[in-house]
Amino acid sequence: GENVEQHPSTLSVQEGDSAVIKCTYSDSASNYFPWYKQELGKGPQLIIDIRSNVGEKKDQRIAVTLNKTAKHFSLHITETQPEDSAVYFCAAKSPGTYKYIFGTGTRLKVLA
Amino acid sequence: KAGVTQTPRYLIKTRGQQVTLSCSPISGHRSVSWYQQTPGQGLQFLFEYFSETQRNKGNFPGRFSGRQFSNSRSEMNVSTLELGDSALYLCASSYGFEYEQYFGPGTRLTVT
Repeated sequence: GENVEQHPSTLSVQEGDSAVIKCTYSDSASNYFPWYKQELGKGPQLIIDIRSNVGEKKDQRIAVTLNKTAKHFSLHITETQPEDSAVYFCAAKSPGTYKYIFGTGTRLKVLA
Repeated sequence: KAGVTQTPRYLIKTRGQQVTLSCSPISGHRSVSWYQQTPGQGLQFLFEYFSETQRNKGNFPGRFSGRQFSNSRSEMNVSTLELGDSALYLCASSYGFEYEQYFGPGTRLTVT
């Protein structure tokens, strides 16, 4: 069945360092890949997304890359700050459906 | 623009009872999806509604049901509650298939 694997499950970095979270999807029809940040007690917040016709997208300190051949996509956060500490989820969606398949989440800790 | 709102935010019920959760999407959004989030299973898709019609359903028992009203507000109902139904229930809204999905803060349901 459809599946999204996400690694690592936890990640600790020093403030100012970069963080990378990787996801692999199984459904080759998937064409939309959002990333969500979830802080304690809150719902997931959309932080960046990428569509299958694009290989890379950047928004200030955050970037996402997509390798359709390998069915991999990654989130890159540069110059991390303590407020980046949260759980990050990747997801994949196929065209013509609202059904998102989520990864299992990565707990990012940015150490001051 | 107001975000997705969910009521109530917290709920405590006992086994065997039923519960109704409410979601108001972002103004103009016609799609509402529901997810269950638990530490063990992560974010799992329950169902999705568009223009009062259920278009997709996840792999949950029939005790989980929902509906959408003409103003796009949605409710989900869980009957005969079980301890394992304790979770954060998230609602998300979108304009349509090819648009971003935004989450509400969730309803924390505890079944005792």
